[in-house]
Amino acid sequence: EPEVTQTPSHQVTQMGQEVILRCVPISNHLYFYWYRQILGQKVEFLVSFYNNEISEKSEIFDDQFSVERPDGSNFTLKIRSTKLEDSAMYFCASTGPRVELFFGEGSRLTVL
Amino acid sequence: GQQLNQSPQSMFIQEGEDVSMNCTSSSIFNTWLWYKQDPGEGPVLLIALYKAGELTSNGRLTAQFGITRKDSFLNISASIPSDVGIYFCAGRSNTGNQFYFGTGTSLTVIP
Repeated sequence: EPEVTQTPSHQVTQMGQEVILRCVPISNHLYFYWYRQILGQKVEFLVSFYNNEISEKSEIFDDQFSVERPDGSNFTLKIRSTKLEDSAMYFCASTGPRVELFFGEGSRLTVL
Repeated sequence: GQQLNQSPQSMFIQEGEDVSMNCTSSSIFNTWLWYKQDPGEGPVLLIALYKAGELTSNGRLTAQFGITRKDSFLNISASIPSDVGIYFCAGRSNTGNQFYFGTGTSLTVIP
């Protein structure tokens, strides 16, 4: 069964460092998303991406964040200068024709 | 952003009991999704609903798209220990493509 894959599964970084989280969405999906989940809290929308550009973004997705689809398969989230409060699980997701949102296993980011 | 309230926040039930939870929003949605999340893992899609009044089952799970389009319900029949986890609803309006998530219902099943 096709699935969304994410790397790394866990990244530890120092405050102020840049982080890139990678995702390979399901191959025939067209909409891609990044969500964030702080420990014990609900899943929060960051950004959606369609046709090689940002479709929507939340107030969380400030200038520190950027997304890119550098080739035909990868979808990346970059955090330019990490802050302590960026520590969270970051989930990549994608939707296909049936508008079912499928999530990856997540990348746990720990900022020290 | 949109507010989705789930209730109850947590449930402790005996194995074999049925479970009901619901999700309400402040605005109309045209798609409702229900997820289960285990600790340290990504949400897993359980059921998708696309029109008001729709009732859809997936094994022991049944979900309904509320008539008002501002709510949705999930029922689990004859609960088993592996049903333990956090259940999230998610909704999408027709004015955008982002999904808003509910606050979650934590389910504990006592054998």
